[in-house]
Amino acid sequence: DAGVIQSPRHEVTEMGQEVTLRCKPISGHDYLFWYRQTMMRGLELLIYFNNNVPIDDSGMPEDRFSAKMPNASFSTLKIQPSEPRDSAVYFCASRTGPHTEAFFGQGTRLTVV
Amino acid sequence: GENVEQHPSTLSVQEGDSAVIKCTYSDSASNYFPWYKQELGKGPQLIIDIRSNVGEKKDQRIAVTLNKTAKHFSLHITETQPEDSAVYFCAASIQGYSSASKIIFGSGTRLSIRP
Repeated sequence: DAGVIQSPRHEVTEMGQEVTLRCKPISGHDYLFWYRQTMMRGLELLIYFNNNVPIDDSGMPEDRFSAKMPNASFSTLKIQPSEPRDSAVYFCASRTGPHTEAFFGQGTRLTVV
Repeated sequence: GENVEQHPSTLSVQEGDSAVIKCTYSDSASNYFPWYKQELGKGPQLIIDIRSNVGEKKDQRIAVTLNKTAKHFSLHITETQPEDSAVYFCAASIQGYSSASKIIFGSGTRLSIRP
């Protein structure tokens, strides 16, 4: 398996534009997580899914953020409209069960100018 | 909700010496504690984990200890090598009806190994 695949690796966009980040989890993994990493706040959990169903989205900062998982092999994190303070590295991770290793993707570095 | 605190934020040790990173957690229901290593430009990668029914676990030069009563756990790296230089994160996993399998991370420790 190629691991968790995220795209794009880098994204630069202007303030106010819509941004969509994509993730393909490892096949057979029932849990999918979206994290945001910044120097100030570290690794923040935004939302996670179990069997394609959102379980906890309490970490989603604002209504501008939304996440979907239409099927077991694909998830998106959308920011609309984007703001400079959204600049961060966004990670997707997946795991098979509650107490198993979470595998992270390479991340998407988002810069909003 | 769960809160994980990690210390120190930066750590510099001489090659060959030991490094210790400490974490505390707030939710006594947490029962799974993984440690991740993040190298520059990459996602975090699991290096070792421990479950609440175990007090200590060792894997070659890496060991973790867990004190459930005090709600703290530590990572110990012995005989440090240059390739150990990275950012290390502790984490706690909560299992519950509405927040099953949530993984909360500490703030990270940047470990530097001096040659």
